[in-house]
Amino acid sequence: SQKIEQNSEALNIQEGKTATLTCNYTNYSPAYLQWYRQDPGRGPVFLLLIRENEKEKRKERLKVTFDTTLKQSLFHITASQPADSATYLCALPGGRAAGNKLTFGGGTRVLVKP
Amino acid sequence: KAGVTQTPRYLIKTRGQQVTLSCSPISGHRSVSWYQQTPGQGLQFLFEYFSETQRNKGNFPGRFSGRQFSNSRSEMNVSTLELGDSALYLCASSLSPGGMETQYFGPGTRLLVL
Repeated sequence: SQKIEQNSEALNIQEGKTATLTCNYTNYSPAYLQWYRQDPGRGPVFLLLIRENEKEKRKERLKVTFDTTLKQSLFHITASQPADSATYLCALPGGRAAGNKLTFGGGTRVLVKP
Repeated sequence: KAGVTQTPRYLIKTRGQQVTLSCSPISGHRSVSWYQQTPGQGLQFLFEYFSETQRNKGNFPGRFSGRQFSNSRSEMNVSTLELGDSALYLCASSLSPGGMETQYFGPGTRLLVL
């Protein structure tokens, strides 16, 4: 089954800087990958979906890249703000044996300091 | 359009009891997935329902069960509660099954087993 690795250590970053988060996966390359944001005590909120044939996707201050050779996705928050402080989760299909159900990484907590 | 709603939001039970959680998906969404989230294990897939049929099931014991009604509302039941069942239970809805569709999460039900 698919294994997803995200840096479990919190990322502390100064306001205005770019935060870069990593999502690595093993086994087969998925057809797409999603990124979610989760605030404490709340459900995850969808941010971006990137397909395997897309190298990069942008949404406002967010940018996602997808490298199927490295089996890695990078998530960037540019010009970070304290309101960006949250946990960010990557998710991708778990494979045919798993019914292609969406499997989530453990998430990386981001703390943006003013 | 109203979001995904879950009831109750908080629940305290004792070991051995059973519990039923409810989820109302976004209007028009026919797929409902359930997840368990704990600090140690992260977000783990429980099961997915589509058109009243269980489409996928995660690696959880048979004490965890669910169902979906004709109006797409879903319930999950946990019998013979154990201390380790304490977690945030999240429901997510999407237009159709499979992970390609954006998952819209509810606020979750926080279950504490004493």
